[in-house]
Amino acid sequence: QQQVKQSPQSLIVQKGGISIINCAYENTAFDYFPWYQQFPGKGPALLIAIRPDVSEKKEGRFTISFNKSAKQFSLHIMDSQPGDSATYFCAARPGSARQLTFGSGTQLTVLP
Amino acid sequence: DAMVIQNPRYQVTQFGKPVTLSCSQTLNHNVMYWYQQKSSQAPKLLFHYYDKDFNNEADTPDNFQSRRPNTSFCFLDIRSPGLGDAAMYLCATRTGWDNEQFFGPGTRLTVL
Repeated sequence: QQQVKQSPQSLIVQKGGISIINCAYENTAFDYFPWYQQFPGKGPALLIAIRPDVSEKKEGRFTISFNKSAKQFSLHIMDSQPGDSATYFCAARPGSARQLTFGSGTQLTVLP
Repeated sequence: DAMVIQNPRYQVTQFGKPVTLSCSQTLNHNVMYWYQQKSSQAPKLLFHYYDKDFNNEADTPDNFQSRRPNTSFCFLDIRSPGLGDAAMYLCATRTGWDNEQFFGPGTRLTVL
């Protein structure tokens, strides 16, 4: 019940295209859903996060869509750029917990 | 300006030779985490501190220990590194009342 399932494992997108990464969860106590971006040899960096009281949050080219009834959330990267090539992790935390539960990661490659 | 600093960035040790990794933070956050991340995997939580309250994950090997002498510093001690302990070790911090978790750049540990 603590798992967060992430798909796809890898994604190749042409420059200018839309990248979509999906995550699903079971624990209804989760109330914080961040996305992290990680470049090779670097630590993860918070990209964007959402709480379940909203269905969508947008920051620049990055949008989180959240479907509470389906227990799913997704990251959309509009106008994908080669510099977006990285590994993306979704995560979730219940309000009472101190630790995040991570998805398994998606390796995104944006072709020039 | 770096907020979560990890030293060294690269550490090479020999099989069985104790090693200490360090983490410092300028954020004055009361929660600090240590994660192990192997290639193409999500970060795996080893333990965390809430102030001085130490919390060990159930599946963290006894070979891994931690110290937090003050708010700013946290250390990861690997008493007898094995080949399977070669990984990236990530430190992260968070305030107790906010969700955003900040990661350091990581220390890449090689075990010969």
